[in-house]
Parts: sequence; structure tokens; C-alpha cells
Amino acid sequence: KAGVTQTPRYLIKTRGQQVTLSCSPISGHRSVSWYQQTPGQGLQFLFEYFSETQRNKGNFPGRFSGRQFSNSRSEMNVSTLELGDSALYLCASSPEGPSTGELFFGEGSRLTVL
Amino acid sequence: GENVEQHPSTLSVQEGDSAVIKCTYSDSASNYFPWYKQELGKRPQLIIDIRSNVGEKKDQRIAVTLNKTAKHFSLHITETQPEDSAVYFCAASNISGGSQGNLIFGKGTKLSVKP
Repeated sequence: KAGVTQTPRYLIKTRGQQVTLSCSPISGHRSVSWYQQTPGQGLQFLFEYFSETQRNKGNFPGRFSGRQFSNSRSEMNVSTLELGDSALYLCASSPEGPSTGELFFGEGSRLTVL
Repeated sequence: GENVEQHPSTLSVQEGDSAVIKCTYSDSASNYFPWYKQELGKRPQLIIDIRSNVGEKKDQRIAVTLNKTAKHFSLHITETQPEDSAVYFCAASNISGGSQGNLIFGKGTKLSVKP
């Protein structure tokens, strides 16, 4: 079984631009969660999607948004980028949701905002 | 919402010694507590988890204990080895309505095992 795939792996943007990150979950997994990882803050929860619906949302501004498609693939978008958005963005999939068992993480998309 | 505090942020031990990482959570409704290990440059991976209906769980050199009354849980690693060096994250899940809970992570503990 293929693991969780995230694209792109690395990207550099400038302030004010927007970015879209993609996550393909493990086949059969319906839940996709997104996390922002920074050195001082650990893994901060962004949102979770299940069957194309956002079930939970973390404490991030509205510039951070996401969606999930019928094939469970998910995208997250960050608009009007700020320097502080530089981070590793991790997505994780699970069959039914993060509270029911193991999360399978992708390798992440490393975003640098200049 | 749920808040998870993790201590210490860094921990250095000698090979063969034990390591203990502690976490506290705020939401008494949380009932699922996993631990993830992230080696340098790699993705986080689940190493052990515990649900609130048990107080302790062991898997070889790793054990997790849970005190629901005090709302804290701990990871214990015995006979540490250099390959245990990594960042460890605790997490707590706020379950509401079955599978709909989200997972909130602590800020991580960087464990260094010196040979």
C-alpha cells in the first residue's frame, strides 16, 4: 500500500502570495488532518476533513483553508502569506479519524516565505 | 478546547538509562492518548497509545501510564539506546460523537541518548 504523499515537498514564496499544498491519503482512508510544524511550537492542528466535510478546525486565521475531494485527496491553501507562515506542513490520514487510532503522516511540504 | 503541555522540552540521558516524558491535558473528556516519535528529517510515527479505560500499557522497552484524575500521562523508555534519540510528541484526543475528535499535540521533547 502506498503511503501518504504530499506535494510539493519544498517551495519558496514571497510575502503576500498564496500557496496550495496537496495530500494524497492512504487508499481507503477517509480522514485527512493537517498540521503546521515549527521548531518552537511542535505540531499545531489546522483542520481535519472526513468524507469531503471539515469536521474540526484549529486556531488559525481564515487565511488558512482546505478542502477534500471525493477521492479523499485533500488540499490546503494559505493566502496572503506572511513570514511567520514558514513551516513544515504535515498531513496525516486515518481510516475513520484521528481519535480512533494511528495517524499516518506524509513527509511534509516545507514552505519558506521570503 | 483541549490543551496539552509536555515536559521537558529537551532530555539527555546516558545509554542504558531510563527516560521519562510527562504530559498534562486540560479536557477531562479526552480519552485517547498516543505518543509519536519523529526522527530527524523523518515523519512522525506512532510508537504507543493508551485509552482511558486502562492505566498502563507496555510494549517491550516502552510504557505509558495514565492518571485520569490528575489529567496527566507519561512515556517511559527503559534501557535507552542511541536509536531512541528523536523528538517525542504526546497527544490527546477530544472525542465528541464517536470518531469526530481531533488530536492535539504537545510541543515535543527532544531526547538525546549518549553512547
